Amino acid sequence: NAGVTQTPKFQVLKTGQSMTLQCAQDMNHEYMSWYRQDPGMGLRLIHYSVGAGITDQGEVPNGYNVSRSTTEDFPLRLLSAAPSQTSVYFCASRSQGPGGANYGYTFGSGTRLTVV
Amino acid sequence: DQQVKQNSPSLSVQEGRISILNCDYTNSMFDYFLWYKKYPAEGPTFLISISSIKDKNEDGRFTVFLNKSAKHLSLHIVPSQPGDSAVYFCAAKFQGAQKLVFGQGTRLTINP
Repeated sequence: NAGVTQTPKFQVLKTGQSMTLQCAQDMNHEYMSWYRQDPGMGLRLIHYSVGAGITDQGEVPNGYNVSRSTTEDFPLRLLSAAPSQTSVYFCASRSQGPGGANYGYTFGSGTRLTVV
Repeated sequence: DQQVKQNSPSLSVQEGRISILNCDYTNSMFDYFLWYKKYPAEGPTFLISISSIKDKNEDGRFTVFLNKSAKHLSLHIVPSQPGDSAVYFCAAKFQGAQKLVFGQGTRLTINP
């Protein structure tokens, strides 16, 4: 049981380049989300999805696109990378059900992105 | 506007003593609060949670207290162990919503 898998673990981009951060989960979770972690800012929600074909914006969506064609995958696309997007990105998923006391959130191990 | 705030960026505690991590929130529509622990180069992992209808929840060495009138919650770790050294995030969930709002995090260091 792999849980939430994020690739790549590290990436360096030049300003203006595009790339896709991959996120896959094997728990059949309906809800998936992307967060970025910056020093002093905690984790901020970028985009989320409540099921295949349904996505919505979080707190900091500008500069990022998402799509959800399958239950398992939720890729995050940077269309034109900027230095302000240097961050650590986390993907998380959970079941739509009560999920128990932890609300069932499972996080991936993160992608560290540097934009130069 | 930060709806969930952890005002202490860092905390240092002696092994065996109590660690108290604090979190304040501004929105009365939060119905669930959670604490996550994060080690370097890993994703956050769930630690403990509390419903807004309760004022205390305990799990082993970890206890979370909720003071709704003050919009304040705290995480107590007793006794503190070296393996507790990590960054702790407070998070809150809105009624009827799935997404979590996180605080800035507090780096806890347990000294031997």
